[in-house]
Amino acid sequence: DAGVTQSPTHLIKTRGQQVTLRCSPKSGHDTVSWYQQALGQGPQFIFQYYEEEERQRGNFPDRFSGHQYPNYSSELNVNALLLGDSALYLCASGRAGGFPGTDTQYFGPGTRLTVL
Amino acid sequence: AQTVTQSQPEMSVQEAETVTLSCTYDTSENNYYLFWYKQPPSRQMILVIRQEAYKQQNATENRFSVNFQKAAKSFSLKISDSQLGDTAMYFCAFLSTGSSKIIFGKGTRLHILP
Repeated sequence: DAGVTQSPTHLIKTRGQQVTLRCSPKSGHDTVSWYQQALGQGPQFIFQYYEEEERQRGNFPDRFSGHQYPNYSSELNVNALLLGDSALYLCASGRAGGFPGTDTQYFGPGTRLTVL
Repeated sequence: AQTVTQSQPEMSVQEAETVTLSCTYDTSENNYYLFWYKQPPSRQMILVIRQEAYKQQNATENRFSVNFQKAAKSFSLKISDSQLGDTAMYFCAFLSTGSSKIIFGKGTRLHILP
């Protein structure tokens, strides 16, 4: 059983560009959450998707948007990239009816985004 | 707003020793969940242990145990018989009941020395 997978592993972009990161949840999971982890910091919640809709959102600007497909996979889109968007982006999947924090938070290995 | 504070940026201990990582949090809620996550160099965030706030009994998972002091809003992690594979960043985290947003501390980098 494959766990949570993310692509690409690494990505380099320049300021002003747009980027799309992808996440495939663990088998049996139907929610996907995205986190941004800046260097030396803990992850910060961006948003969660369930049933193809954004269910909850953290304190991130509208430049950050997402999508969830019928197969539960998800994309994170960031427009007009800033230098400060350089970070590790983590995806976490879970079951909507699962036990909070455990059945709902299996993390992927992340995508390292560098903005030059 | 809830906050999570880890006051030890970095720690080092000898293999087989016991180490305790500290965490404090701030919330006005009565029901919530607390977690310790491990992030090794591979970057994969792994759940180590969880605690439900309504349970008075401290959670244990093999060599890992917590000291949960609800009134003091303290949630420390004890690692017994530490192993080289325990070397990683450790994050304390908080989750409100009914929320999907896990709030993480800044982490403690733990080095287990041979």
